[in-house]
Amino acid sequence: QQQVKQSPQSLIVQKGGISIINCAYENTAFDYFPWYQQFPGKGPALLIAIRPDVSEKKEGRFTISFNKSAKQFSLHIMDSQPGDSATYFCAASLQTGANNLFFGTGTRLTVIP
Amino acid sequence: NAGVTQTPKFRILKIGQSMTLQCTQDMNHNYMYWYRQDPGMGLKLIYYSVGAGITDKGEVPNGYNVSRSTTEDFPLRLELAAPSQTSVYFCASSYSGGNNEQYFGPGTRLTVT
Repeated sequence: QQQVKQSPQSLIVQKGGISIINCAYENTAFDYFPWYQQFPGKGPALLIAIRPDVSEKKEGRFTISFNKSAKQFSLHIMDSQPGDSATYFCAASLQTGANNLFFGTGTRLTVIP
Repeated sequence: NAGVTQTPKFRILKIGQSMTLQCTQDMNHNYMYWYRQDPGMGLKLIYYSVGAGITDKGEVPNGYNVSRSTTEDFPLRLELAAPSQTSVYFCASSYSGGNNEQYFGPGTRLTVT
């Protein structure tokens, strides 16, 4: 059973455009929602994360929007660049305990020059 | 700091063989994790450890074993390899539980034929 559902599976965006990736979860006990970025042949690396006490978090061109009532969160990449081409994973975990992450299935983003 | 290192990078096993995937971190992190990544499935937690001598099962532990004799090392043992264990394996570590960032190694690509 997939604890975190992610869409789309793949995304192609023109340079300068906005990339949007969506995730949904069922477990209302989740209270930490990170996004990881993975380049081919590398391990995932933390990109940005949010806690449910805020509805939005922005770091540079990357923004997480969080809708607690809908149990959904999304990643927006503004002014997408070819260097942003990677696979993006959303995840969720509990603040207490061992920090076990439940990952979405990933979105392969391609930014065309 | 080298961060999280994994060996080997690639391995081909025959069905029924055994092997150990090595993972070492030099960040003095207490928590360590093993994930497997399958195409279209995201990352699934196999085992985790909250400190030397303490390990516990994740989502998909069957067919694997772990040990944690030191803070730095967290090897993953595959006994009687099966084709279903063909995957990319990632080791990760974090300073503590809660919402601490997990740092991932570069992965081991394992094929069982």
